[in-house]
Parts: sequence; C-alpha cells; structure tokens
Amino acid sequence: TQLLEQSPQFLSIQEGENLTVYCNSSSVFSSLQWYRQEPGEGPVLLVTVVTGGEVKKLKRLTFQFGDARKDSSLHITAAQPGDTGLYLCAGLTSGTYKYIFGTGTRLKVLA
Amino acid sequence: KAGVTQTPRYLIKTRGQQVTLSCSPISGHRSVSWYQQTPGQGLQFLFEYFSETQRNKGNFPGRFSGRQFSNSRSEMNVSTLELGDSALYLCASSFAGLAGTDTQYFGPGTRLTVL
Repeated sequence: TQLLEQSPQFLSIQEGENLTVYCNSSSVFSSLQWYRQEPGEGPVLLVTVVTGGEVKKLKRLTFQFGDARKDSSLHITAAQPGDTGLYLCAGLTSGTYKYIFGTGTRLKVLA
Repeated sequence: KAGVTQTPRYLIKTRGQQVTLSCSPISGHRSVSWYQQTPGQGLQFLFEYFSETQRNKGNFPGRFSGRQFSNSRSEMNVSTLELGDSALYLCASSFAGLAGTDTQYFGPGTRLTVL
C-alpha cells in the first residue's frame, strides 16, 4: 500500500514565523502536487512538481521535490493568518493515473 | 467560468439506505474523479470517469459505484450505507484526466452523515 506521510500533523504558529511541512514516501512518484483546503471547501491546487530536485516558488511559498522523487517539502516564509488551512500533498504513480493523498498538515497562523 | 458544483451539500441517511450524489464539472472538462475524505483515512480516491467510461478505480467495495453522462455530469451511488461511510465526498474535474500535470478542480463536497 502506498503511503504519503506528512509532518507535522498540526502546526500552530504566530504571524510572521517561517515553517516547513514535509511529505514523505517510500514510493517514487512521477509528479507531486500540493493543495490547500479551507473549511467547507474542496482542496485548491497550489503547485505541481514533476522533476527530481525541482524547486518552485509561489510568492512566500517554496516547494521542493526530492531528488529521488519520493519526498517533497513546502516552506512558508513570514506566515500570515490567510495561510491557515489544511495542506495536502498528492503523488501520482506512473501508469496508475490516480493520486495518493498525504495524511495532511493542519496549519493555524495566529495574528 | 463556473466551478465544479456538487449537490446536495449536506445529507443525512440511516444505515442500510442508499444515496446518490451529483457532480457537475467545469464546462469543457471530460474527466470527473470522486474522493472520500474522512478524519481517520484522509482523502482517498474512489474512481475516475472519462467520456462516460470508468477509467480507474480505488480500493472501495462494490457498494460504491458511479456513472458519467454524455454531458460529463457524474453521479456517485452508495448502497447499503454503513456508519463508516460518513464522510465528505469530493468531486474533481479536469480536461483530460489524471495524466500527470492536468489540474484537478475540486468541488465543495457533499457532507454525508450516516446514522
């Protein structure tokens, strides 16, 4: 069974702090996505990474795909209350055409 | 452009009943995927439909089924409901399907409670 473990599970920080969320697996993925989900809504795609070692920046968010394409990280600089939500990673295994979602990291940024 | 819509948003059923959930994808999208989200198991893939054909399925019992119509709208059915079926059911649409970098757009979900 493929598993995507995210850590930490919960994170409560003050506005302005930096944080990193990790997404780890023993499986190799052809691509990996990060989503944010807010209460009462479906997940919204933040980024897709496809190349081992790839780094993508989206304003204050930096995403990295591991060299071996088994893990990924999301780093948020100077977190804001608007960053509050459930962050999910999702990996796509080559040939299966279905995403395996991570266990999720619930982030709360306090003003 | 309208987003993915799901109806109903909330549903309460009792054990043994069956339920049908509906999803209207973004106009022009031909792929619809269904997911179950629970606090314990997270977000799990149920199945994907593309051009009225089930193209992929996850590891759920046969009580969970779906279909897609010619206008790409999709329905999901759960028969003989169990307490453990209580979850948020999410639908996602994309243009070409789960092919790597194609973006999935999720609906707001249907919250199903089984009593």
